[in-house]
Amino acid sequence: EAQVTQNPRYLITVTGKKLTVTCSQNMNHEYMSWYRQDPGLGLRQIYYSMNVEVTDKGDVPEGYKVSRKEKRNFPLILESPSPNQTSLYFCASKITGDYGYTFGSGTRLTVV
Amino acid sequence: GESVGLHLPTLSVQEGDNSIINCAYSNSASDYFIWYKQESGKGPQFIIDIRSNMDKRQGQRVTVLLNKTVKHLSLQIAATQPGDSAVYFCAENTGGYNKLIFGAGTRLAVHP
Repeated sequence: EAQVTQNPRYLITVTGKKLTVTCSQNMNHEYMSWYRQDPGLGLRQIYYSMNVEVTDKGDVPEGYKVSRKEKRNFPLILESPSPNQTSLYFCASKITGDYGYTFGSGTRLTVV
Repeated sequence: GESVGLHLPTLSVQEGDNSIINCAYSNSASDYFIWYKQESGKGPQFIIDIRSNMDKRQGQRVTVLLNKTVKHLSLQIAATQPGDSAVYFCAENTGGYNKLIFGAGTRLAVHP
């Protein structure tokens, strides 16, 4: 089944403790992206990657890092999480040159 | 389920009625629009899209209407079913393939 897989689904952590949210897609998509979703604000792009070793900032990149060492994986790294990063995170992928994303099921992150 | 629906406008309809969900977009230069459906606990799923050179596009039980004059997009769902209950997002492409801007969403509640 073609899909984007994120892990974990739920995560509670403490301020300052580094964490990584993994994302993997099995569709051979070149383009991958991370979004955060907050009530009333819709989906906002954090980082995106157009291919292996090519990443760029989205609209809200502060406090996040990403890497793209392999085509299928695009982990989101929070080096020092803060409570304002409590949110619902989605990884998405698509074919470059296409508009429509396939989204993962989301990761609910709570930073206390 | 995920609490993405907090603070969202809600449209309540009776099962079998037609639903109309509206979206005002921001950029007159946007050339492509997508509607996504997000069920509780899941990531957004593609429903239908439309390019700016069209006024109307129909899918299975869904129709998207585009009014560029007033920058308005609508999603019509015919014979609404309980399975249509979800949060619906519009997204506009503001330039290139990496600039999808998402609206805040509307919750559709279908009552028997």
